[in-house]
Amino acid sequence: GAGVSQSPSNKVTEKGKDVELRCDPISGHTALYWYRQSLGQGLEFLIYFQGNSAPDKSGLPSDRFSAERTGGSVSTLTIQRTQQEDSAVYLCASSSPVRGIQYFGAGTRLSVL
Amino acid sequence: KNEVEQSPQNLTAQEGEFITINCSYSVGISALHWLQQHPGGGIVSLFMLSSGKKKHGRLIATINIQEKHSSLHITASHPRDSAVYICAVGHYGGSQGNLIFGKGTKLSVKP
Repeated sequence: GAGVSQSPSNKVTEKGKDVELRCDPISGHTALYWYRQSLGQGLEFLIYFQGNSAPDKSGLPSDRFSAERTGGSVSTLTIQRTQQEDSAVYLCASSSPVRGIQYFGAGTRLSVL
Repeated sequence: KNEVEQSPQNLTAQEGEFITINCSYSVGISALHWLQQHPGGGIVSLFMLSSGKKKHGRLIATINIQEKHSSLHITASHPRDSAVYICAVGHYGGSQGNLIFGKGTKLSVKP
């Protein structure tokens, strides 16, 4: 596709369950970013991948959060033992090494009951 | 004190008015981004700049590195410009992705 694709668009889960959120970046984009936006709050950086370099994980809020990027393309954000405070919109973005402008996906709205 | 401050928080304008949204930051930066978040939630990156001025259509972004301040201007505003405008900065020396976001300015343009 032409844009950044995220799935699922909505996810409802029970407290304590694990969830996986997927991001397909724009083809050729070497940089991939995960952010989250809690209800009524601003955007918050989670993790950043750039090519084959070690990811910048400094924004992950706890060790329940992890992310991987396989083959330099698709990325999965995993949240283990979800808590109600994890409820938010999780946004993925990608950018090319030339322009640096980030292109955002539509996000995954996660609701933890 | 937040590292990225935006003003105003809310702004209502009449169609056709010239609009200015301000962003001040307190850290050394590698780049500053302006984003637009539509009422439906979708986010569009408007500008990334580290010096000077950029223009795209009716939008103009400026940055003053010495004063740690950026402005986003919208000329001849239109109701479709109604959105939340977000300023974000990348720490100097930090990774490209580790952005610090402002809380956003909610713009409403009335016909």
